[in-house]
Amino acid sequence: DGGITQSPKYLFRKEGQNVTLSCEQNLNHDAMYWYRQDPGQGLRLIYYSQIVNDFQKGDIAEGYSVSREKKESFPLTVTSAQKNPTAFYLCASSIGGRDGNIQYFGAGTRLSVL
Amino acid sequence: GNSVTQMEGPVTLSEEAFLTINCTYTATGYPSLFWYVQYPGEGLQLLLKATKADDKGSNKGFEATYRKETTSFHLEKGSVQVSDSAVYFCALSVGAGGTSYGKLTFGQGTILTVHP
Repeated sequence: DGGITQSPKYLFRKEGQNVTLSCEQNLNHDAMYWYRQDPGQGLRLIYYSQIVNDFQKGDIAEGYSVSREKKESFPLTVTSAQKNPTAFYLCASSIGGRDGNIQYFGAGTRLSVL
Repeated sequence: GNSVTQMEGPVTLSEEAFLTINCTYTATGYPSLFWYVQYPGEGLQLLLKATKADDKGSNKGFEATYRKETTSFHLEKGSVQVSDSAVYFCALSVGAGGTSYGKLTFGQGTILTVHP
């Protein structure tokens, strides 16, 4: 089955620690995205990538980093510089063209601070 | 800039009631409009979309019409079920097409709870 796999489902971060959230897709999509979701708020864009080895900052990139070494993979690192990391993180991908704005989402990773 | 405003929630209905969730938008350019649904503990799924004025998107009994004159895309369903309980997000995208990948701007989400 084609889709987007995020892991782990739950993640705990200690003070001063970097943690990495995994996102893998087998849909052969060019574009991938990371969003943060906080209670009572919509999704906010952290980073996005339209092609391998290239990515752009979204609206709230500070304290986060990404890489795009393979088409299928777009991991997100939450660094110690992100002072309020507790949130639900969603990864998405899209195919481009006129349907490029239809995004397909993974099941999410819930990050909490110990 | 682009923005999406949804009606305040939560919305609580009895089964078989009529549902409306209001959504209005502002956009630079000509947007495509979407409704996504998020079931508890899951990611978002596309529910329906419309790409030009007067288009009606529909899926699973839900409908929404792209109203350019009122910059609205209200979600409706004639008879809700308990299984429709979820969070509903209105979203827009400007600029997709060709090799362009449109970024989505989301509303804050509306929680819907349907009781038997």
